[in-house]
Amino acid sequence: DAGVIQSPRHEVTEMGQEVTLRCKPISGHDYLFWYRQTMMRGLELLIYFNNNVPIDDSGMPEDRFSAKMPNASFSTLKIQPSEPRDSAVYFCASSSYPGTARYGYTFGSGTRLTVV
Amino acid sequence: QKEVEQNSGPLSVPEGAIASLNCTYSDRGSQSFFWYRQYSGKSPELIMSIYSNGDKEDGRFTAQLNKASQYVSLLIRDSQPSDSATYLCAGALEGGGADGLTFGKGTHLIIQP
Repeated sequence: DAGVIQSPRHEVTEMGQEVTLRCKPISGHDYLFWYRQTMMRGLELLIYFNNNVPIDDSGMPEDRFSAKMPNASFSTLKIQPSEPRDSAVYFCASSSYPGTARYGYTFGSGTRLTVV
Repeated sequence: QKEVEQNSGPLSVPEGAIASLNCTYSDRGSQSFFWYRQYSGKSPELIMSIYSNGDKEDGRFTAQLNKASQYVSLLIRDSQPSDSATYLCAGALEGGGADGLTFGKGTHLIIQP
């Protein structure tokens, strides 16, 4: 398996623009997580899905953020409109329960977002 | 509120010595704990998981858990320059992380040749 695949790797956009981040989890994994990492706040859980259904989105910072998982092999995280404070590295991770307790999550390479 | 605390470092250790990384957590409901390693500009990768009190060894790595003290640690024996990275401690409630992991901000480890 190629692992968790994220795109794009880097994104530079102007404030106010819409940004869409994409993720393909590992085949067979039934959990998908979106995290955001900054120096100040570390890794923060934004939202996670189980079998394509959003379970907990309490970490989504504002209504400007939305996430979807239309099928088992694809998820998007959208920011509209984007702001400079959204600049961070966004990671997607997947796991397979009950394997999570032993194997943890597999993270994608991340998308480094810069909003200017 | 679930919190995982780590000393940000940097922690500098000479090559060949034992590196000791520590983590405390606030939620007594946390059951499973994970240590991830993250190289600069890369994604976190799992080193070890632990969910029972005591020690768990895997090669040069030993994880230690003390639920009464809400304390988790990672020991790296015979430290190598390639071990230089940021080490993230993470905790999970029942379900082993199926409901999300709470991460500390990480400890930056430097192994000096």
